[in-house]
Amino acid sequence: SQQGEEDPQALSIQEGENATMNCSYKTSINNLQWYRQNSGRGLVHLILIRSNEREKHSGRLRVTLDTSKKSSSLLITASRAADTASYFCATEGAQKLVFGQGTRLTINP
Amino acid sequence: NAGVTQTPKFQVLKTGQSMTLQCAQDMNHEYMSWYRQDPGMGLRLIHYSVGAGITDQGEVPNGYNVSRSTTEDFPLRLLSAAPSQTSVYFCASSWTVSYNEQFFGPGTRLTVL
Repeated sequence: SQQGEEDPQALSIQEGENATMNCSYKTSINNLQWYRQNSGRGLVHLILIRSNEREKHSGRLRVTLDTSKKSSSLLITASRAADTASYFCATEGAQKLVFGQGTRLTINP
Repeated sequence: NAGVTQTPKFQVLKTGQSMTLQCAQDMNHEYMSWYRQDPGMGLRLIHYSVGAGITDQGEVPNGYNVSRSTTEDFPLRLLSAAPSQTSVYFCASSWTVSYNEQFFGPGTRLTVL
């Protein structure tokens, strides 16, 4: 079974709005990562947050991690059409990186 | 740097045929892995390698073999293709798996008839 589960499975918002995606996991982790996948392409790394960190920023991205609740969230601020993609969380532990099922984000003009 | 390359991009097989999906990286990464992506299932780990000569099973290893004779190459072999192996296959690499981003190849779309 997969480690991470993402919520919602699909999200559609207007350009300029903020998008929030959530990820829950089951066991202890070393770190949690977020990736983006444009249609038909390979995944691209966005951000990594260590298990001893609570929040991390990168440009318009903000990631939080709550290890007590085993959950993480990815916030994309001031969304753009180019942000339309699938977003995956991945948890690392025991020399493996395990992915969630992803959130499909659509930004409407 | 070419990064992570995968060949072929597309492949159609008949049930029972065997083939090898190629993966190569030119970043001198120690860690390499294979995932399959099915609609609505996210990515599932098939096999991984922490260095040349060392491989291990992931979540869904049945029907697949791997070897790692060099740091650069990590081929995935389908022994006897089945329709259930129809999927998109991604290869990824990183310095180590811990605390490092994974670099993904463009994928191989495989159809088994």
